[in-house]
Amino acid sequence: NFMLTQPHSVSESPGKTVTISCTRSSGSIASNYVQWYQQRPGSSPTTVIYGDNQRPSGVPDRFSGSIDSSSNSASLTISGLKTEDEADYYCQSYDSSNVVFGGGTKLTVL
Amino acid sequence: QVQLQESGPGLVKPSQTLSLTCTVSGGSISSGGYYWSWIRQHPGKGLEWIGYIYYSGSTYYNPSLKSRVTISVDTSKNQFSLKLSSVTAADTAVYYCARDRRFGEISNWFDPWGQGTLVTVSS
Repeated sequence: NFMLTQPHSVSESPGKTVTISCTRSSGSIASNYVQWYQQRPGSSPTTVIYGDNQRPSGVPDRFSGSIDSSSNSASLTISGLKTEDEADYYCQSYDSSNVVFGGGTKLTVL
Repeated sequence: QVQLQESGPGLVKPSQTLSLTCTVSGGSISSGGYYWSWIRQHPGKGLEWIGYIYYSGSTYYNPSLKSRVTISVDTSKNQFSLKLSSVTAADTAVYYCARDRRFGEISNWFDPWGQGTLVTVSS
């Protein structure tokens, strides 16, 4: 099976743009869709991106997802950062019936 | 809209079996089209998928937990359940249930999630 590697933490100022990466260790990132979940402290995860780049209804268009086959990675980009975006973000994918989560990235908006 | 709620003991003794139930409201498990999953999160750590079940009873488990996990479904109560045997302190975690949506065989995503329940393994 494969692993998804995320940076442990990122930080950026309000109003700026931040990108969180998720690198697949083996197999092609394009083979299976990638999802992104936001988890605020004390809360359950919620989906911000599914299917590589689709936003569920209610998720602002400040959130966008993409994949890059050359680096075998997926990215979550949040523009116009708000303090409410401060949370843990997890990528997730799937292969041969197995579900894989990235280790999570703590986003600090300061 | 669909909502999920976990229930079960918050404290389990080492070597015993952890048992949790997820009650689904706002939608029927037996209508098909979705799988139903258990996911856990160790304190201060990341997410770990445990396994999933379809309304027919078909299951698939995380290979790392497979020998200790049983997931079952009760469509008459619109519930699915998790049993994890021979628990140790390493099984202390928040346990979430979630609806598991599929892109055919290509991928899946979890939405919505239950609020989670903390299970502590201690004597």
